[in-house]
Amino acid sequence: NAGVMQNPRHLVRRRGQEARLRCSPMKGHSHVYWYRQLPEEGLKFMVYLQKENIIDESGMPKERFSAEFPKEGPSILRIQQVVRGDSAAYFCASSRRHEDNEQFFGPGTRLTVL
Amino acid sequence: GEDVEQSLFLSVREGDSSVINCTYTDSSSTYLYWYKQEPGAGLQLLTYIFSNMDMKQDQRLTVLLNKKDKHLSLRIADTQTGDSAIYFCAERGGSSASKIIFGSGTRLSIRP
Repeated sequence: NAGVMQNPRHLVRRRGQEARLRCSPMKGHSHVYWYRQLPEEGLKFMVYLQKENIIDESGMPKERFSAEFPKEGPSILRIQQVVRGDSAAYFCASSRRHEDNEQFFGPGTRLTVL
Repeated sequence: GEDVEQSLFLSVREGDSSVINCTYTDSSSTYLYWYKQEPGAGLQLLTYIFSNMDMKQDQRLTVLLNKKDKHLSLRIADTQTGDSAIYFCAERGGSSASKIIFGSGTRLSIRP
């Protein structure tokens, strides 16, 4: 049973380009959470999605960031017109039910903006 | 607001016990977690405790919760070089809460 998968593991973009980060939850999990970890900091919640729905996006920056979790396929975190301050590790987590104690984390995507 | 605080660094001698401390502000926290992150890797859940518990022990790990003072600690007995990592304290405000709130992490280094 594969864990949470994220790709790419490393992504380099130039300022102004778009970044697309993908997350495949664990089998049987329909709840996905995205977190961002800036250098030397803890993880900060960004958004919680259930299949085809955004449930809580209170941690998402108001501009340039969007997330989706379509009926088929992985969840996508999209960052348009990236800036240097977007450089961070982006982690995805999943759970079978929202009320489960544990969110299982993927290995993360490390985004570097040049 | 919700906040989780922990010290940034801890250095211990191999074979000694490590104690990592954490304080949190959200009195409605229901679940409190300790995660381990090795360099370049994702987060591994080490253990968690419900807010109605005082202590939980799991092999070399002991978690103590003082709910009155909103203080959580993780004790690692017989610390080994493989325990070198960043340890994150985190809390969640109940099963309806979307997010887990993380501290900034304590970097544990082991000296011979």
